[in-house]
Amino acid sequence: GAVVSQHPSWVICKSGTSVKIECRSLDFQATTMFWYRQFPKQSLMLMATSNEGSKATYEQGVEKDKFLINHASLTLSTLTVTSAHPEDSSFYICSASNPLFAGTNTEAFFGQGTRLTVV
Amino acid sequence: SQQGEEDPQALSIQEGENATMNCSYKTSINNLQWYRQNSGRGLVHLILIRSNEREKHSGRLRVTLDTSKKSSSLLITASRAADTASYFCATVGRGTYKYIFGTGTRLKVLA
Repeated sequence: GAVVSQHPSWVICKSGTSVKIECRSLDFQATTMFWYRQFPKQSLMLMATSNEGSKATYEQGVEKDKFLINHASLTLSTLTVTSAHPEDSSFYICSASNPLFAGTNTEAFFGQGTRLTVV
Repeated sequence: SQQGEEDPQALSIQEGENATMNCSYKTSINNLQWYRQNSGRGLVHLILIRSNEREKHSGRLRVTLDTSKKSSSLLITASRAADTASYFCATVGRGTYKYIFGTGTRLKVLA
């Protein structure tokens, strides 16, 4: 099946610094990718929809200046957590779908997730 | 919030017993999917059921879907300790790949 690779798998950073997380679709071109955040023992909450070549669409309550999303190519979306604070510590997961199958019932493919710890 | 609800939130059973988890959602869907997540890890896709399907099987898994009640259930038969994980339903609305996840059920299977 299709593979979505996320990097890094874990990162520890100091408060006030910025952290970049990459999400790559390895064997298909993804015009749309999604970013989710998951706090411990909670579900995945959609943060934003990343659109290749255009601005990301953010869900209500998600600060776009805090979580910068760039989808500059059809295989790469990045999420940058700017001026990170301890409350940003979370598990971040991306997903991508193959647009060739848009409108059909196929699964999306998820990255392995990135555990961010801000100290 | 559009997030789906799952119950129970937590379930503890003995190895060999069956585990049933329920998911309710709020909007019209294209399909519904179940995922497993081991502690602190990524998601593992278990099964996809289309909106025009009522039941689907995969190995020890059985999923039902009732679109009139906007609900789905996941049954794991003859559970094993290795089934210990969190289970999430995720719905996909029509014309979108945006996944809305349920609140999840934490399953613990005791050996």
